[in-house]
Amino acid sequence: AQSVTQPDIHITVSEGASLELRCNYSYGATPYLFWYVQSPGQGLQLLLKYFSGDTLVQGIKGFEAEFKRSQSSFNLRKPSVHWSDAAEYFCAAYFGNEKLTFGTGTRLTIIP
Amino acid sequence: DVKVTQSSRYLVKRTGEKVFLECVQDMDHENMFWYRQDPGLGLRLIYFSYDVKMKEKGDIPEGYSVSREKKERFSLILESASTNQTSMYLCASSPMGGWTDQNTEAFFGQGTRLTVV
Repeated sequence: AQSVTQPDIHITVSEGASLELRCNYSYGATPYLFWYVQSPGQGLQLLLKYFSGDTLVQGIKGFEAEFKRSQSSFNLRKPSVHWSDAAEYFCAAYFGNEKLTFGTGTRLTIIP
Repeated sequence: DVKVTQSSRYLVKRTGEKVFLECVQDMDHENMFWYRQDPGLGLRLIYFSYDVKMKEKGDIPEGYSVSREKKERFSLILESASTNQTSMYLCASSPMGGWTDQNTEAFFGQGTRLTVV
């Protein structure tokens, strides 16, 4: 079955530390892959997306993600987090069925 | 710079009431979507529409219906609200092929938090 898995429900990091949020997908081919962020009380905002080509994708707000076909993964990274990065992050995939399938989300807490 | 507007941020309704959630987009997008967001379950697609008067069921359509009489407006209807429909509802819109076009993206509204008591 086609699915998106975010294994970490909640992650806490110190301000200034590096961040990696994990995302795996299950699909017989390579889907289109997305990362969204939802700040408290806000809708979802697209951080970045991967369709093909260079497996390292740069996004907004200093985020990047790396697609690894061998691991069916699309992990989101940031070298140094800021307090304003505290939010919920969703990985999503398009499997060719006219809709976007979302993971369950990872809540990021930043400690001073 | 508002792109997708949901008419209410918070709603409290009684069990059995008919509930309308409204969504309006100002980008002339063909596609519109209604998602439900619950803790631990992420976003699940309820219905989507790719044209006026057209609709398709998503993953969890039971208990919901939709209406799209004009291109810019997509309404989600709970015919008889139940407590298990208490949730955050998110509307989104995208151009045709929005999920597959590298040069476009979908936009989400701020959500409507519905409580059914």
